Amino acid sequence: DTGVSQDPRHKITKRGQNVTFRCDPISEHNRLYWYRQTLGQGPEFLTYFQNEAQLEKSRLLSDRFSAERPKGSFSTLEIQRTEQGDSAMYLCASSRDIPETQYFGPGTRLLVL
Amino acid sequence: RKEVEQDPGPFNVPEGATVAFNCTYSNSASQSFFWYRQDCRKEPKLLMSVYSSGNEDGRFTAQLNRASQYISLLIRDSKLSDSATYLCAVNRGLGGGKLIFGQGTELSVKP
Repeated sequence: DTGVSQDPRHKITKRGQNVTFRCDPISEHNRLYWYRQTLGQGPEFLTYFQNEAQLEKSRLLSDRFSAERPKGSFSTLEIQRTEQGDSAMYLCASSRDIPETQYFGPGTRLLVL
Repeated sequence: RKEVEQDPGPFNVPEGATVAFNCTYSNSASQSFFWYRQDCRKEPKLLMSVYSSGNEDGRFTAQLNRASQYISLLIRDSKLSDSATYLCAVNRGLGGGKLIFGQGTELSVKP
């Protein structure tokens, strides 16, 4: 399978704990995106990388959220001191420069108790 | 007002019907437009890209109207397997960057 992969697929945590998610993009894609989706809504943009550079961050990405892509390959998204409102599906997508069509991974479903 | 808005759902149609979804966007600088399909508890899957005046792929036709700032998706001869949520997405500028999604329109095709 050469698609976008995400790990873990599901995560249950208690409020106040830290969680980290991983995304492996399609190998020839240099752009990587993180989105968050809650029930009944479309995905909301969080941040994106071109190679290892983080080019844009949403205002949704509070200080508790941090994303990295240290070698321009896989990326991690960490949420510190989780809150119940962080419960959502966290989606990763990747694309080439041209065309910029984004392909999504299966997502990580987070539940904060 | 949301930057990208879609027809509220759900749409309940019989097999074989033709159904159309609309999506409006407010940023006139938007350059790239996409339709994604999302099955329950799954990731969005690209259905069609819409770059210029529209395009067709089998039973699916996407149209872009830049003057009125909307895109549409037409599904002909609906199949049970078309039941899903359809998301439109807009990219503000050439060269990549974030997609702005609508809230999605749910389609249910009944026998």
